Amino acid sequence: DAGITQSPRHKVTETGTPVTLRCHQTENHRYMYWYRQDPGHGLRLIHYSYGVKDTDKGEVSDGYSVSRSKTEDFLLTLESATSSQTSVYFCAISLGAGWGQPQHFGDGTRLSIL
Amino acid sequence: ILNVEQSPQSLHVQEGDSTNFTCSFPSSNFYALHWYRWETAKSPEALFVMTLNGDEKKKGRISATLNTKEGYSYLYIKGSQPEDSATYLCAPTLTGGGNKLTFGTGTQLKVEL
Repeated sequence: DAGITQSPRHKVTETGTPVTLRCHQTENHRYMYWYRQDPGHGLRLIHYSYGVKDTDKGEVSDGYSVSRSKTEDFLLTLESATSSQTSVYFCAISLGAGWGQPQHFGDGTRLSIL
Repeated sequence: ILNVEQSPQSLHVQEGDSTNFTCSFPSSNFYALHWYRWETAKSPEALFVMTLNGDEKKKGRISATLNTKEGYSYLYIKGSQPEDSATYLCAPTLTGGGNKLTFGTGTQLKVEL
């Protein structure tokens, strides 16, 4: 087990509130990723990180910010949640230091925005 | 946005049937091609990562081939079993864009008894 923990696992919140999701890993992997899963779209990359304080945007980054102040934690923040951000969010790590390594996924966070 | 296409979108087969799916991706700036298996209510699980043109990978009854020049990969399942029911995702990594994946929308496989 690559030791990824996502928290919370489920959350219901209201439109306009800020929400932070946490991804924690225990094995010092360099690359970490946040995806969202939506019907008809599969998995889409929101943001990713290639080291402490090093992050970059993915395909669907609008309305999201990330931070990585420690190797083990990658935080995803919805600054002002909207109903279109209702989704299942997956964190992943890249197994290995180089490019093209397989990714290992957390169990997901189901987020509902009312 | 990278165009990654998977076909068919869904597939129903009988137990014991062999089946295959296709993943098409841009052939320029290719670095690697990933296949994942995603069961309902679980997380995606890595099957293969392939990098070389003509590469073939095998894991039990599942195998995959890669053609980087024309930008496609095939995933084969021999003698499908009900436990093979899942969505199969492919995702290329390209050079120059960071170590990230762009997933196709997947092929949903249902194996019936």
